[in-house]
Amino acid sequence: AQSVTQLGSHVSVSEGALVLLRCNYSSSVPPYLFWYVQYPNQGLQLLLKYTSAATLVKGINGFEAEFKKSETSFHLTKPSAHMSDAAEYFCAVSGTASKLTFGTGTRLQVTL
Amino acid sequence: DAMVIQNPRYQVTQFGKPVTLSCSQTLNHNVMYWYQQKSSQAPKLLFHYYDKDFNNEADTPDNFQSRRPNTSFCFLDIRSPGLGDAAMYLCATSRDRGLAYEQYFGPGTRLTVT
Repeated sequence: AQSVTQLGSHVSVSEGALVLLRCNYSSSVPPYLFWYVQYPNQGLQLLLKYTSAATLVKGINGFEAEFKKSETSFHLTKPSAHMSDAAEYFCAVSGTASKLTFGTGTRLQVTL
Repeated sequence: DAMVIQNPRYQVTQFGKPVTLSCSQTLNHNVMYWYQQKSSQAPKLLFHYYDKDFNNEADTPDNFQSRRPNTSFCFLDIRSPGLGDAAMYLCATSRDRGLAYEQYFGPGTRLTVT
């Protein structure tokens, strides 16, 4: 069975600072991993996905994530935070029938 | 633009009064999912359709039912809503089943039970 763990339910950064959201996975097979963002009262939007083609994955809005098998990690980063990045971020791993197992989410706060 | 549409965005129902939430998609995807998301929690999968094939999650209460009359539409029926069913309900689609296929989400319907 697959699972993901997101470390830190809340992360606060200053505008312009580095964003680092942590995700560790557990999977008995090579994982397919996703990061989604959710703005208040909205659905989830795909930021990026890892499907084994490249370990460094670039997504929308300047986000990227690096797959590290040795660390079973798939952390999300952005070099410079913007106020519009404030949202809930979910890491997820894909299982049978494309079913996603989500982490518990990390709420990103961006301050001036 | 191809998209996933959910109606209504906000729904208020009374305790025990049946309610139906609607989802439609213009992506022509084979798979449609329904999730329940409570405040500050991750989405929880209720069931999904692969084409016309219905797949229920083991822990989804019998109070929740679904219909998919055609490729484009999928409905979530809550037969007797309780206060604990107040949540955001998310519809999602996927082109096909398989590990690499991402899901596309609608904006959600926020259900309030009074």
